[in-house]
Amino acid sequence: KAGVTQTPRYLIKTRGQQVTLSCSPISGHRSVSWYQQTPGQGLQFLFEYFSETQRNKGNFPGRFSGRQFSNSRSEMNVSTLELGDSALYLCASSPSAFSGANVLTFGAGSRLTVL
Amino acid sequence: GENVEQHPSTLSVQEGDSAVIKCTYSDSASNYFPWYKQELGKGPQLIIDIRSNVGEKKDQRIAVTLNKTAKHFSLHITETQPEDSAVYFCAASKDDYKLSFGAGTTVTVRA
Repeated sequence: KAGVTQTPRYLIKTRGQQVTLSCSPISGHRSVSWYQQTPGQGLQFLFEYFSETQRNKGNFPGRFSGRQFSNSRSEMNVSTLELGDSALYLCASSPSAFSGANVLTFGAGSRLTVL
Repeated sequence: GENVEQHPSTLSVQEGDSAVIKCTYSDSASNYFPWYKQELGKGPQLIIDIRSNVGEKKDQRIAVTLNKTAKHFSLHITETQPEDSAVYFCAASKDDYKLSFGAGTTVTVRA
């Protein structure tokens, strides 16, 4: 069973540009979450989607947005990039929510560097 | 929001010894507490989790304990091996959608 797949794995952008990251969840999983990981702030929740609807959102500015498609694949977008957006962006999926026996499974992440 | 504190930030143990990592959480409504292991260049991988209706859970060399009254939970790794070297994160959740993570513990197992 394939895991959570994130593309691209590495990318470099300059300040002011925008970036789109993609995530394919585990087959059958309908919930996709995004987290930002930095040395200073650790792992911070960005947002969570289920059946193409954003159910939960973290405390990030509006420059960070996301969406989910009917096949459960998700994308996140960051506009007007700042140096502080350099981070590892992690996508995670679960069947619906991580209740009962369901758990959250992470992908390997997309490493974004903003110059 | 939920605040999760994790200690220590670094931990060095001799191979074969035990390692203990402790976390505290602030929101008494939290009811799910997973532990993740992250190796270099990889995403976090779930190693064990516990729910608030259980006080202790064990899986081979790994165990987690939960004290709801004190709002703290701990990870215990026995008979440590070099492959246990990694960064470990505790987390807490009250809504099954969002995890609040601790800052992480870098564990080094000395051969």
